[in-house]
Amino acid sequence: SQQGEEDPQALSIQEGENATMNCSYKTSINNLQWYRQNSGRGLVHLILIRSNEREKHSGRLRVTLDTSKKSSSLLITASRAADTASYFCATALSGNTGKLIFGQGTTLQVKP
Amino acid sequence: DTAVSQTPKYLVTQMGNDKSIKCEQNLGHDTMYWYKQDSKKFLKIMFSYNNKELIINETVPNRFSPKSPDKAHLNLHINSLELGDSAVYFCASSQERDRGREQYFGPGTRLTVT
Repeated sequence: SQQGEEDPQALSIQEGENATMNCSYKTSINNLQWYRQNSGRGLVHLILIRSNEREKHSGRLRVTLDTSKKSSSLLITASRAADTASYFCATALSGNTGKLIFGQGTTLQVKP
Repeated sequence: DTAVSQTPKYLVTQMGNDKSIKCEQNLGHDTMYWYKQDSKKFLKIMFSYNNKELIINETVPNRFSPKSPDKAHLNLHINSLELGDSAVYFCASSQERDRGREQYFGPGTRLTVT
């Protein structure tokens, strides 16, 4: 069964606004990762947050993790048209074999 | 230089045919993966190899057979193609199998079965 579910499925904002995407999962994890996929391209790793971390920053990205609620959020601040893409969360399960389970993604459109 | 490459990028073929997709990584990673992304963008792992050893084999029809001649290559052979096999197939690699490290993805192979 699918581990990660993302919300919203689609998001449309103006350039300069912030974008927030949420991810929920079902079982214990080792870490949670966020990936970006531009149309027609492969996925690109953005950020990894471990199960014992609560918040992580990378440039304009801020990720939070709440293991008690089994949820994570990705915040993109001061969005740009180039941020238009699909964003996926992926969970690495505890004691895993390197297997990542992906959510269905949030499609973000940033209008110039 | 491309880190994870796949060939071909597009593959159009008829039902019943056999086809292969090749993947190579030049990152020196130990682990490689195959994923299938359907039309709704749902990405699901199919196989994983660590140092040429199969470690993940999801419930994939046995028409799909991965082959890893060395740790830098992981090919996917598909027999008797069906319409439902149409999807984008991604190869990925990571440094360590354990602890779920970040994965590096290839550009994808769009397979269309007619």
